[in-house]
Amino acid sequence: DADVTQTPRNRITKTGKRIMLECSQTKGHDRMYWYRQDPGLGLRLIYYSFDVKDINKGEISDGYSVSRQAQAKFSLSLESAIPNQTALYFCATSDADRGYEQYFGPGTRLTVT
Amino acid sequence: GEDVEQSLFLSVREGDSSVINCTYTDSSSTYLYWYKQEPGAGLQLLTYIFSNMDMKQDQRLTVLLNKKDKHLSLRIADTQTGDSAIYFCAETSTNAGKSTFGDGTTLTVKP
Repeated sequence: DADVTQTPRNRITKTGKRIMLECSQTKGHDRMYWYRQDPGLGLRLIYYSFDVKDINKGEISDGYSVSRQAQAKFSLSLESAIPNQTALYFCATSDADRGYEQYFGPGTRLTVT
Repeated sequence: GEDVEQSLFLSVREGDSSVINCTYTDSSSTYLYWYKQEPGAGLQLLTYIFSNMDMKQDQRLTVLLNKKDKHLSLRIADTQTGDSAIYFCAETSTNAGKSTFGDGTTLTVKP
């Protein structure tokens, strides 16, 4: 079984809709991250969490919110989706005791029409 | 803030060596990483180097770090078509606890 899973893997939604992307991990890591990937722009950090009670904004948090429901779960919400949020979204985890190496989920391809 | 830069594209012939370069700005970087992303997949750690090291070799991979110039390189010997992917350079400082990624270098290996 995959250590970091994301659901859904693909989603098409309309402008203005609320959508939630979910991430679960079985690695027991304390740190979790949400990134978006756009062609030619690499990975940009949206939000990150160092433990269940800790939430931090990344470089592009506007239009997004997150919830850390448990150590193993970190969800990303788009309250009112817009077309320029069309992207590939990745969840990742890391463990401070292991050099901060990040383990990535398989990604969610989101299209906002 | 921290910045990591790398060239966007590299094309090599099968059997040649590939060298992917990266520069970073954070002088407090503790760990420097190379991740590989294959089509349709997430990123996977390829190798990493501590900031107090100059070089690390792992089979076909050689990582060189010039801390003075804040320059990191990844050399892939005997490049194969299966090495075609996007390679991301990333750095982490212990203080920040999170990584900054470059934009990725797309490596194309021609038979």
